[in-house]
Amino acid sequence: DVKVTQSSRYLVKRTGEKVFLECVQDMDHENMFWYRQDPGLGLRLIYFSYDVKMKEKGDIPEGYSVSREKKERFSLILESASTNQTSMYLCASSSPQIAGANTGELFFGEGSRLTVL
Amino acid sequence: AQRVTQPEKLLSVFKGAPVELKCNYSYSGSPELFWYVQYSRQRLQLLLRHISRESIKGFTADLNKGETSFHLKKPFAQEEDSAMYYCALAGGGADGLTFGKGTHLIIQP
Repeated sequence: DVKVTQSSRYLVKRTGEKVFLECVQDMDHENMFWYRQDPGLGLRLIYFSYDVKMKEKGDIPEGYSVSREKKERFSLILESASTNQTSMYLCASSSPQIAGANTGELFFGEGSRLTVL
Repeated sequence: AQRVTQPEKLLSVFKGAPVELKCNYSYSGSPELFWYVQYSRQRLQLLLRHISRESIKGFTADLNKGETSFHLKKPFAQEEDSAMYYCALAGGGADGLTFGKGTHLIIQP
């Protein structure tokens, strides 16, 4: 089974703190994604990466950055956390049959619930 | 721009009754459509995809390109079907899926 592991299930941070959310997948997937999940808003794509050191903005990248130094690891960084970034963050990975082609099925981690006070 | 619409935030039906969760999409090309499900305290997981044309846990979904819909159906609801359901669309690139806002399905005993 594909396993996507998010390092922290629950975090509480203060406004202005720097926050790191780590995600590791063990199936050699090329694509990795960060979404945030909010009630009534569904899942919104923050950033994605289709290769090591490559990153692309999703629909809501403001206030976030990412890092992908190794194929299996994709980190989400909040440089200066704000209360409106309180959310559930979901990491996902996928492996398209053709590089750069349709994403196909996503495999999700269990999520990291971040509260910013 | 691609978009997925799930008109119902909450759907409550009785056990044994038919279920239909609605999904409409907007996309100029040939999309690939999915239904994902998230049971309480579990991770989001794939339920089914339109290209498979299979039934999973009694659920089916047919892509209707004329109506740009991909509704999820089950003839007889079971209590274990209670969950959050998301419809999702994949375009032609590697940029992930576009998700709808989700429908919370509650099956009453």
